[in-house]
Order: sequence, then structure tokens, then C-alpha cells
Amino acid sequence: DAEITQSPRHKITETGRQVTLACHQTWNHNNMFWYRQDLGHGLRLIHYSYGVQDTNKGEVSDGYSVSRSNTEDLPLTLESAASSQTSVYFCASSYSTDTQYFGPGTRLTVL
Amino acid sequence: DQQVKQNSPSLSVQEGRISILNCDYTNSMFDYFLWYKKYPAEGPTFLISISSIKDKNEDGRFTVFLNKSAKHLSLHIVPSQPGDSAVYFCAASASSGGSNYKLTFGKGTLLTVNP
Repeated sequence: DAEITQSPRHKITETGRQVTLACHQTWNHNNMFWYRQDLGHGLRLIHYSYGVQDTNKGEVSDGYSVSRSNTEDLPLTLESAASSQTSVYFCASSYSTDTQYFGPGTRLTVL
Repeated sequence: DQQVKQNSPSLSVQEGRISILNCDYTNSMFDYFLWYKKYPAEGPTFLISISSIKDKNEDGRFTVFLNKSAKHLSLHIVPSQPGDSAVYFCAASASSGGSNYKLTFGKGTLLTVNP
């Protein structure tokens, strides 16, 4: 079955380290998105991509970057992790519709 | 500036009764609305959606109502079941406004259905 996966599911890192969260989908969806979920904020868009080599900033993009070298993957990189980036991160994808399908999430703790 | 608002952080109902979750929006460009359900330690899952050309959409026990003039939508769950206990997110997009599939989410409402 087609699916969307995220790895790792849990990550603990230290302030200042570079961290990369993986997102992989097998639906052949054009659009991919990264969100973070924090108490009191709901889901906030970090970065998104409409296709290979396309990336765009969302509402909370500072300190994060993404790259899209193929259709299936959109890795999220924290250039220098900060405690404020402790959160649960969700990847999502969609085809040519508004309905997005989410991965299981990555819980990141920055100490 | 919160464009999608879910003003009730939590809601508790009895099994078998109706659950009504509310959502308000401020951006008049929004023309497509979705509800997602989220269990702990899982990703959100799509539940139901409605286009702005409609005022109601049903799928089994779930019905979404849209009042464009009031910029308000609601999700009705009838009858409520304990397995419906989850966080519900309202989301909106401005498909025809060039936002190209981006969703704006509310903060979520925690629904608890008591047996």
C-alpha cells in the first residue's frame, strides 16, 4: 500500500547541532509539506514543495530548510537546533487537491 | 493573526449524543474547508471536507455545515462513540485564490466521549 513515513519517530539532540528529519511518500504526490505542532498553536506550516527542485517558506520557516531532489522525499533540516524547536513535526503530501495526508510524526527534543 | 479559530479547546459529551465542534474563519478567500482527526502519537487523518459552493456535506455519522455569510463551519458527529475521542482540527484553503493547496489550521478541539 502507498504510504507516507517519517524517521526517526523520536529524536533527542543538543542545542547547536544540525538535525535532519526524513519524510518519504510512495503516493507519487507532487505536493509535500512540513508542519510543527505545539500546545496552544495547532499545526503551523514550516516549508512546502510543489515538485522536484521547488521549495517555499511557510509561516514559521526561520531556522529550517528543505530540499526536494526527487518526488518521494522532502527532508527537513534544522541548521542549528534551538530549544524553541522542541516540537512534534509532521510531514504531509497531496496530489492536485487540497486534501493532505499526514505521516505519523517525529517528536524532537532539543536539550 | 489567527485566520482559522477553534474557540473551544475541549468538549465533553456522552456516548450516543451529538457532538458539535465549531470553527470560525476570517479570510474571505477561503473556499475549501476540511476537518482532521488526531489520536495521540499519530498523524492527523482526513475526516471530511466541504467546498464553499455547498452548505452541507455528510459522510456517515459525520456532517459538516458551512455558513459563508457568518464565516462559520461546524462538524456534527451523531451518534458520538468513545472511539471518536480525539483532537479535531479545522483547516481551510484558498484554492481559487492562488494559495495552491496550502492549508491553514485551527488550534484544535479535544473531544472526549464518555461511555
